[in-house]
Amino acid sequence: QVQLVQSGAEVKKPGASVKVSCKASGYTFTSYDINWVRQATGQGLEWMGWMNPNSGNTGYAQKFQGRVTMTRNISISTAYMELSSLRSEDTAVYYCARGAPGTTPFDCWGQGTLVTVSS
Amino acid sequence: DIQMTQSPSSLSASVGDRVTITCRASQSISWYLNWYQQKPGKAPKLLIYAASSLQSGVPSRFSGSGSGTDFTLTISSLQPEDVATYYCQQTYSTPYMYTFGQGTKLEIK
Repeated sequence: QVQLVQSGAEVKKPGASVKVSCKASGYTFTSYDINWVRQATGQGLEWMGWMNPNSGNTGYAQKFQGRVTMTRNISISTAYMELSSLRSEDTAVYYCARGAPGTTPFDCWGQGTLVTVSS
Repeated sequence: DIQMTQSPSSLSASVGDRVTITCRASQSISWYLNWYQQKPGKAPKLLIYAASSLQSGVPSRFSGSGSGTDFTLTISSLQPEDVATYYCQQTYSTPYMYTFGQGTKLEIK
């Protein structure tokens, strides 16, 4: 079955970077975009950006421009989201989600990765 | 950026009630509107896409309608397992700049 499995929880200090992975299975990795969405505790969903695994093309929400990088390793069907210059406000659960290229919904989500930023 | 506004932000209803949640876009998004359900501690789940298409496996008591700027998610007969937070999302923007509504928390009375 279609599945996205994310890496485990992380604890980081302010100013550090974090890299979260998202391993896809059950479908052709290069046929669907991977989006990243985060959710602070008790808050709503915030879209961060997308990546097309086939081309490597990316698009980031303005809020995260310059701090986020989305990449992939096609050989292991894995997408990555790296967020730098972490601050306490970045403490959140980070989700990857699949969507067909274009203006399509996210039909499969990873289980989420909790990133805690604390000194 | 396109802003999405949901109402109400929370509601309480009885089992068997008809429940309606609305979502308004700050500009026309045609029918590029999706609805998700999120239960506590879980990832969101796609319910409705393209404003009114039911995702495979989703119970038929869920339905969506609307186009342009105003959209509605309806649960025809509320069940206990429907307790969750519901989010709308626009996927109209190009280049891709997707946004979610702030969410509607649904509880059983």
